[in-house]
Amino acid sequence: DAGVTQSPTHLIKTRGQQVTLRCSPKSGHDTVSWYQQALGQEPQFIFQYYEEEERQRGNFPDRFSGHQFPNYSSELNVNALLLGDSALYLCASSFGLGYNEQFFGPGTRLTVL
Amino acid sequence: QKEVEQDPGPLSVPEGAIVSLNCTYSNSAFQYFMWYRQYSRKGPELLMYTYSSGNKEDGRFTAQVDKSSKYISLFIRDSQPSDSATYLCAMSADDFGNEKLTFGTGTRLTIIP
Repeated sequence: DAGVTQSPTHLIKTRGQQVTLRCSPKSGHDTVSWYQQALGQEPQFIFQYYEEEERQRGNFPDRFSGHQFPNYSSELNVNALLLGDSALYLCASSFGLGYNEQFFGPGTRLTVL
Repeated sequence: QKEVEQDPGPLSVPEGAIVSLNCTYSNSAFQYFMWYRQYSRKGPELLMYTYSSGNKEDGRFTAQVDKSSKYISLFIRDSQPSDSATYLCAMSADDFGNEKLTFGTGTRLTIIP
């Protein structure tokens, strides 16, 4: 049973560029959430996708956007990268709504220079 | 003030000791409580998941939730060097469509052989 997978593992970008991160949920899961974890900090909720729609959003600017595909996989896009966007980006999957047991992937480490 | 407070440690204990990790919270809407273990530069791993108040045991791990005091705990018995990691508590509200996780800052634990 494959767990949550994310790609790429590491990414280096420069300020102003755009980046796309990808996530495949755990088998049987249909809900995907994205979190940002700065070095030494706790994960912060970015947004959640269910049935290909953004259902809930944290306190992140519109530069952060996402998408969920019919196979439940998801992408996180960040435009106009800032140095402060450097972090570990975590994808978590769960089943359905109102059930909060979320399983995390290994993350994508983004470095913005 | 943060909704979830967690002693960041670091905490060092000898192998075989009982470890107690704790979090307090202020949001009375939180109903789901989780403990995650995170190794350096990896994604969080779900250890325990509890709904509402009470105790839950899984092997060497016991989770306790006291909603009246807004206080949760994780106990690790017979601690092993492989338990050395950062432990994050996480919580979410019992509102349909509000499954985002709010994390504590994490406690860095070292088990000394």
